[in-house]
Amino acid sequence: AQSVAQPEDQVNVAEGNPLTVKCTYSVSGNPYLFWYVQYPNRGLQFLLKYITGDNLVKGSYGFEAEFNKSQTSFHLKKPSALVSDSALYFCAVRDDQAGTALIFGKGTTLSVSS
Amino acid sequence: GAVVSQHPSRVICKSGTSVKIECRSLDFQATTMFWYRQFPKQSLMLMATSNEGSKATYEQGVEKDKFLINHASLTLSTLTVTSAHPEDSSFYICSARAPDRTQHFGDGTRLSIL
Repeated sequence: AQSVAQPEDQVNVAEGNPLTVKCTYSVSGNPYLFWYVQYPNRGLQFLLKYITGDNLVKGSYGFEAEFNKSQTSFHLKKPSALVSDSALYFCAVRDDQAGTALIFGKGTTLSVSS
Repeated sequence: GAVVSQHPSRVICKSGTSVKIECRSLDFQATTMFWYRQFPKQSLMLMATSNEGSKATYEQGVEKDKFLINHASLTLSTLTVTSAHPEDSSFYICSARAPDRTQHFGDGTRLSIL
C-alpha cells in the first residue's frame, strides 16, 4: 500500500532564511512524487515532481526537492523564504505500478514571518 | 500551463437538494479524473476515480449512489451529490491527470447544505 508522511504540522521560518518541509513515503514499486501548495479556499497548485532522472528537482517559485531513495524521502526546500510562501504544503505519491490516484500526506502549514 | 476548471466555486442549498459539480480540463485530454474531499485543516481524501467512457471506481466507504460521477468526454467529469444533507457539507476538489503524469487540480467547490 502507498502512504505519505509529513511529520510536521507546522514549520515556522523567518523571511530570508532557508526552509525545509519534510516528506517520507512508502510504495511497492517505483515512486512518482509530487509537491503541491494550497492557499485558503483554493485548490492545489503544482510545485514540482520526481518521476525519474536527477534526484534534485527544481520547481516553481524557487522551490526544489531532493529524492532520496535510501531514506525514502522527498523533502521540499527553498534557499530563501518569502512571506508570500506562507501556505499549506502537501506531499503526494503514486506507485508507478499501481497507476492510481495520488495519495496525499496530511499537509504542513508553512508560516514565514517578516 | 495546464489548467483544470471547476464550477461552481461555491454552493449553498437546502437539505434534500441535488448538486452537480463540473470539472473540465481546458488544454489537455484526461482519460482519468479524480474527485477528492477535504475537511477543514485536513488532507485530501480520495473519493473516486473517474474514467472516460466507463464506470467510476469508488474508494471504500464512499456511497456511489450518493455521489454520482459521470465522465462523458475526455475533458469533462461531473460529480452529483444527490439528496444532500448537512453532513455532506465540505470542500470538493477535482483533479485531472495530464499526459506527463502530473495531476492538476481545480480550485475546489465549497458546498454548504443548510
